[in-house]
Amino acid sequence: SQKIEQNSEALNIQEGKTATLTCNYTNYSPAYLQWYRQDPGRGPVFLLLIRENEKEKRKERLKVTFDTTLKQSLFHITASQPADSATYLCALSGISGNTGKLIFGQGTTLQVKP
Amino acid sequence: SQTIHQWPATLVQPVGSPLSLECTVEGTSNPNLYWYRQAAGRGLQLLFYSIGIDQISSEVPQNLSASRPQDRQFILSSKKLLLSDSGFYLCAWRPPGDTTQYFGPGTRLTVL
Repeated sequence: SQKIEQNSEALNIQEGKTATLTCNYTNYSPAYLQWYRQDPGRGPVFLLLIRENEKEKRKERLKVTFDTTLKQSLFHITASQPADSATYLCALSGISGNTGKLIFGQGTTLQVKP
Repeated sequence: SQTIHQWPATLVQPVGSPLSLECTVEGTSNPNLYWYRQAAGRGLQLLFYSIGIDQISSEVPQNLSASRPQDRQFILSSKKLLLSDSGFYLCAWRPPGDTTQYFGPGTRLTVL
C-alpha cells in the first residue's frame, strides 16, 4: 500500500543545534516533494520544494535532500531558534497528472528550547 | 497579491445539523481549489478538489459535499453532521501550472 511517514514523536533540541526531520514514502513516484510549516491553529505555510532530479535544495537556514532510491527526504534547520518550533509537514506531489494533489505526511513537531 | 479567506473561524454544531463552510480566493483567476480535514494530531486528508467551476472531485466517501459556484469560491457542505465530522478544515488554492498550494486560516468545527 502507499504510505508517507514522518517521525511521529516530537523532536526536542537545544537552540543553536541543527534539527533534522525525516520523511519516508513507499509505493509513490513523486515528481516533487514539498515541506510546509504549520503553527497551532493555523494553516500550513509552504517552505521548500525539491524536484525528483534534484539532490539538495537550500533556502537560508533550511536544507532539503531528496533520495528517490531510498524514497526519503531529510529536512534540516541549522542554527535553530525557539521561533522554529512548529509542526513540519512533508508532501508528495506530481503524482496525479495536472490535478496538483498533495499527499501529506502526519507531520513532526519540533520544539527548540532556549 | 493573492489572499485566501475562510469563514467562520470556529463553529460548534449539534449532531444532525447542516453545515456550510466558505472559502474565497482573491487576486487570481482559475485557481485549483482544495478542501482538507485535519484531525487532532494528524496529517491533512484531502476531501475534495476542483479544477474549475462546477468541476468537483471527491477523494473519500463521506458525509460531506463540495460546490464551486464561482471561479474563486469553494463551499463545503453537509446535510447532517456526524460526531466524526469534527476537525480542522482547511481550504487551499494552487495557481494553474504551479505545484505549491497556499492555505487559508482554517475553520475549527466541533460537532457535539
